[in-house]
Amino acid sequence: DQQVKQNSPSLSVQEGRISILNCDYTNSMFDYFLWYKKYPAEGPTFLISISSIKDKNEDGRFTVFLNKSAKHLSLHIVPSQPGDSAVYFCAASTINTGNQFYFGTGTSLTVIP
Amino acid sequence: DTAVSQTPKYLVTQMGNDKSIKCEQNLGHDTMYWYKQDSKKFLKIMFSYNNKELIINETVPNRFSPKSPDKAHLNLHINSLELGDSAVYFCASSEIAGGPYNEQFFGPGTRLTVL
Repeated sequence: DQQVKQNSPSLSVQEGRISILNCDYTNSMFDYFLWYKKYPAEGPTFLISISSIKDKNEDGRFTVFLNKSAKHLSLHIVPSQPGDSAVYFCAASTINTGNQFYFGTGTSLTVIP
Repeated sequence: DTAVSQTPKYLVTQMGNDKSIKCEQNLGHDTMYWYKQDSKKFLKIMFSYNNKELIINETVPNRFSPKSPDKAHLNLHINSLELGDSAVYFCASSEIAGGPYNEQFFGPGTRLTVL
């Protein structure tokens, strides 16, 4: 029973263009969302998060958008750089489950120089 | 210095064997986790310990037994290994579980292959 879904297993983008990674969730109780980035042979590393009281959070080239009514969030990377090539995981949590995060299956982003 | 480390990085073993994976964090965190990433790339939590006490125990076969000798270590012991146990196992840590949204720091993963 997968509560967080990333339906695009892969995405290719030209360097300098925008990368948009999508994530959908089913549990309306989720109120905190995170994006993790993972390079091969390494563990996931935290990238950016958003609370359900916001609809946008920005950190440099990375912006996360949250649409609660659609149960959808997206990560925008602009401009995309070759070093951004990695697998991106979306994760969600609720205050009731504390630090129990539910992860999606990841989207592999390739930024083409 | 590595914040969350796991040993071994790769583990190849026969069905029926018993094996352990070790995890250590030097971040001073109170909470540690084990995740399993299966062949479908689904990253799912298995266990969570806060200050050596089990706080999350998802539906995992009882062949899997976590052990936390102190709050900096959380080891995973697996008895009677099965083919379906083949996966990448990630250890993670975070600050106290009471704060609901604390970032988790992950180790590099242990790729377990059961033959």
